[in-house]
Amino acid sequence: LAKTTQPISMDSYEGQEVNITCSHNNIATNDYITWYQQFPSQGPRFIIQGYKTKVTNEVASLFIPADRKSSTLSLPRVSLSDTAVYYCLVRKYGGATNKLIFGTGTLLAVQP
Amino acid sequence: DARVTQTPRHKVTEMGQEVTMRCQPILGHNTVFWYRQTMMQGLELLAYFRNRAPLDDSGMPKDRFSAEMPDATLATLKIQPSEPRDSAVYFCASGEPGQGARNEQFFGPGTRLTVL
Repeated sequence: LAKTTQPISMDSYEGQEVNITCSHNNIATNDYITWYQQFPSQGPRFIIQGYKTKVTNEVASLFIPADRKSSTLSLPRVSLSDTAVYYCLVRKYGGATNKLIFGTGTLLAVQP
Repeated sequence: DARVTQTPRHKVTEMGQEVTMRCQPILGHNTVFWYRQTMMQGLELLAYFRNRAPLDDSGMPKDRFSAEMPDATLATLKIQPSEPRDSAVYFCASGEPGQGARNEQFFGPGTRLTVL
């Protein structure tokens, strides 16, 4: 599985858009990019997954360029409750039954 | 609202004691994962099962850790004997095939283990 690199931490203010970029230079053809969110004292929670171009759901958007060597998670108008660790992962296609390899994640701190 | 449940939520024990952690995956999910989280190592995959059969336990210290799935509704992780370095939060997660674009694993609330 391709290794991912993302910033250790980011700061933001309420109402701002936050973009967290992840690099995955060794991504393979059949790899997907997945993002999870973890609040303190809770297990990680799936946010979004994509293969190429742009994916959007009710929580976030995921932008993946054509070479797929990086991806950007975009959180629109963050609030204090978005303070969490965000993990970028590369995984094989095949449902939710393949193992996840977590990196260090990005600690997003949202301030008033 | 289907959820992964884990018991106990907190466990404090003394070095050398046996610890058993339990997980009930979401009904219908055929894959169960055990992860461990510490400040130093982050989230690590210990082992996982598919259709109750162990697929990969390479992340688990074999001499003291064991993982089983006695039936489709119960997964267990045992540590015997426990050591202070085992102190961590242990997460169970489950997933089902064929979710298409979501491909989501559902995590439980974790068991916070402290070994004195």
